[in-house]
Amino acid sequence: NAGVTQTPKFRILKIGQSMTLQCTQDMNHNYMYWYRQDPGMGLKLIYYSVGAGITDKGEVPNGYNVSRSTTEDFPLRLELAAPSQTSVYFCASSPPGFDYGYTFGSGTRLTVV
Amino acid sequence: RKEVEQDPGPFNVPEGATVAFNCTYSNSASQSFFWYRQDCRKEPKLLMSVYSSGNEDGRFTAQLNRASQYISLLIRDSKLSDSATYLCVVNGGTGRRALTFGSGTRLQVQP
Repeated sequence: NAGVTQTPKFRILKIGQSMTLQCTQDMNHNYMYWYRQDPGMGLKLIYYSVGAGITDKGEVPNGYNVSRSTTEDFPLRLELAAPSQTSVYFCASSPPGFDYGYTFGSGTRLTVV
Repeated sequence: RKEVEQDPGPFNVPEGATVAFNCTYSNSASQSFFWYRQDCRKEPKLLMSVYSSGNEDGRFTAQLNRASQYISLLIRDSKLSDSATYLCVVNGGTGRRALTFGSGTRLQVQP
């Protein structure tokens, strides 16, 4: 049982480039989330999804897009990368509701230069 | 005001000490509360849920005070392996169906 898998683990982007951060889970969780964590800071919610075909903005959605075509996958797209998007990105999933907390992926460390 | 506030620390304690962390949250409608642990450069991992009546898991005790919107975590008999950042987490925040994370309190247990 792999849990939540994120790829790539590390990436360096040039300003203006685009990329997709992949996230897949094998726990049949309905809810999936993308957070970013800047050094010494807490996690900030970018986007979340409560099921296939349903997505919603979080606290810091600007510069990002998501899609949820299947229960398993929740990719995060960065368009026109900017230095301010240098961060660690965590994907997480959970069953409906909050009783059990989240299961996180191991993160993607992104540097935009 | 931040939705979840924590003292960033660091808390430097000797092995065997008892240490307590506190957290306040702003959304009075929050219903679910957790403590997560995050090791350096790793993903957060669920440490324990926090229930209204308080709950214990081995050396860890969590308390919730809804009236004061305050959550606490007590660690007894600290181990070197307890060194980590402890994140206070609550649900809610402007109606979103997602968890809101505090910035964390760093604990360093020293030999």
